[in-house]
Amino acid sequence: DVQLVESGGGLVKPGGSLRLSCVASGFIFADAWLSWVRQVPGKGLEWVGRIKSKTNGGTTDYAAPVKGRFTISRDDSKNTLYLQINGLRAEDSALYFCATNALFHFDYWGQGTLVTVSS
Amino acid sequence: QSALTQPPSASGSAGQSVTISCTGTSSDYVSWYQQHPGKAPKLIIFEVNKRPSGVPDRFSGSKSGSTASLTVSGLQAGDEGIFYCSSYAGNDNWLFGTGSSNWVFGGGTKLTVV
Repeated sequence: DVQLVESGGGLVKPGGSLRLSCVASGFIFADAWLSWVRQVPGKGLEWVGRIKSKTNGGTTDYAAPVKGRFTISRDDSKNTLYLQINGLRAEDSALYFCATNALFHFDYWGQGTLVTVSS
Repeated sequence: QSALTQPPSASGSAGQSVTISCTGTSSDYVSWYQQHPGKAPKLIIFEVNKRPSGVPDRFSGSKSGSTASLTVSGLQAGDEGIFYCSSYAGNDNWLFGTGSSNWVFGGGTKLTVV
């Protein structure tokens, strides 16, 4: 079975940094395109960014609100996806999900890790 | 592409059908996700009207113009939750690994089975 397990969330002061991790199993991680999607508790979903497989260049794309502050990376040897978040703002407070991209949709999701930005 | 528009709520009696709309979709790559409280979203429809393995055929999708719709037939109590539509708005080339990705979501529709 496909499993995605996020970790690394927590309470951070504005301007701080955090690195989220997503450990995957149950599929060939190196071949997967992966995204981060966030959700403010009680609100809707927002796509954050995506990384392609290394076979397809390993390139990344980001949503406009996070471009320049968020960095997605992957370690295929550890089946792990990362999200480095710098310059955290209150509006970045959300539950962060990692998800697999199957062509034009998200087919598997993790349970999420909560990031709270507050002084 | 701007965020998609969904009604905030929908309801129906057990056994009946309900349809949830999603306006503003600019591509044929529309997907729907069901989210139960405290759980991760689950894919239930992709590419407008395709169901992943394991999703009952009571869930169906369609699209007309820029409005996509999700219909849930034979409503059951377990169908309650929040449903999100999503539209792919990028230009990725999965074969050659070129282009860029972008997805937009609707605000979600809370389905209640009365």
